[in-house]
Amino acid sequence: SQTIHQWPATLVQPVGSPLSLECTVEGTSNPNLYWYRQAAGRGLQLLFYSVGIGQISSEVPQNLSASRPQDRQFILSSKKLLLSDSGFYLCAWSVPDTIYFGEGSWLTVV
Amino acid sequence: AQRVTQPEKLLSVFKGAPVELKCNYSYSGSPELFWYVQYSRQRLQLLLRHISRESIKGFTADLNKGETSFHLKKPFAQEEDSAMYYCALRTWEAAGNKLTFGGGTRVLVKP
Repeated sequence: SQTIHQWPATLVQPVGSPLSLECTVEGTSNPNLYWYRQAAGRGLQLLFYSVGIGQISSEVPQNLSASRPQDRQFILSSKKLLLSDSGFYLCAWSVPDTIYFGEGSWLTVV
Repeated sequence: AQRVTQPEKLLSVFKGAPVELKCNYSYSGSPELFWYVQYSRQRLQLLLRHISRESIKGFTADLNKGETSFHLKKPFAQEEDSAMYYCALRTWEAAGNKLTFGGGTRVLVKP
């Protein structure tokens, strides 16, 4: 069966430090992959989505970037974190019928 | 551009009372709508989709294209329904399919 793994689950990072959140999917091939953010008091916001290796679409201008080095791997990165990057980040993958989410990563920038 | 609006951030109801979560969307194409739920300490998961016309955990949602709405309803709320609910719209872009979420509604069912 298909599963999605996302890590780390929580992290606290100082302002200006780099970030790397990883997401991998098992049991499927060529999935659509997504990164969402849920900021405090706000809903889910789509940050990036990818339909294939090396293909990334960015939804909003921001301090973050995404990469897809392998078919089932999706990475969210930042070179220098800002306080406003704090939030709950969700990786997801989809098939035509529905979308499945990872357990999320809590990022606190201090 | 597509947009999903959930006007209520918090809904507080008593057990056994009806509950309705509002969702309105903006999209020029043919919409595909979903409701997702996130219970405390659990991952976000699909509750129901409009194309299935199903009832899950007593919840139903009807797509009203005239009013561009997809409200979620349950006639008798239970305490275990307390959770965060998100309405979502799927659209098909040149770069692939995309899911746009509303801001979410927190439901609190009181005993």
